[in-house]
Amino acid sequence: QVQLVQSGSELKKPGASVKVSCKASGYTFNKYNMNWVRQAPGQGLEWMGWINTESGNPVYAQGFTGRFVFSLDTSVTTAYLEISSLKPEDTAVYYCLKDGGGIKDWVLDNWGQGTLVTVSS
Amino acid sequence: DIVMTQSPDSLSVPLGERATINCKSSQSVLYSSNNKNRLAWYQQKPGQPPKLLIYWASTRESGVPDRFSGSGSGTDFTLTISGVQAEDVAVYYCQQYKSSPITFGPGTKVDVK
Repeated sequence: QVQLVQSGSELKKPGASVKVSCKASGYTFNKYNMNWVRQAPGQGLEWMGWINTESGNPVYAQGFTGRFVFSLDTSVTTAYLEISSLKPEDTAVYYCLKDGGGIKDWVLDNWGQGTLVTVSS
Repeated sequence: DIVMTQSPDSLSVPLGERATINCKSSQSVLYSSNNKNRLAWYQQKPGQPPKLLIYWASTRESGVPDRFSGSGSGTDFTLTISGVQAEDVAVYYCQQYKSSPITFGPGTKVDVK
């Protein structure tokens, strides 16, 4: 079955960087795009963008350009989210999500368990 | 951007009764190529990631109980839980995927009395 397993919680100081991993299994990795969604504590869901798992080309939503980088290592079927120059307002749970593809294009049909990133001095 | 709104913010439903959640989009999410609506519903239980329930506004994802149903078209949509169970306590989100950026509603919290 499809599984997206994310790396563990992180506690970082302001100005530091963090890299969250998302290991995919149970499907052909480069046939379905990977999305990222942020959920601040007690808040709703905010789509950050997606990465084309065939070309490696990322697309960022407004508000997630500059400090946020999506990348892949297809040899280990893993997607990454790197955030630099961390700010306290980046404190959130970050989810990786598989695109449904085909008739479920842009439907987010499988979610990772989430990675809590806490930014605090 | 397409703005999604939901009502109510929260509701408390007696066990076994019906729950109705409304979702409205600021623009039509009807996809002209197949005349279907690019609208999905997700369920997020406490401490868990969201789970896909419904896509194309009314197509249940595999494994989702048939007490969950979706309806609506254009800009107005409804998620109905017919016969709420204790395990349905969660926040429910609608999401449009008609155009980028993908946007979510603010969520509706469902409690069971």
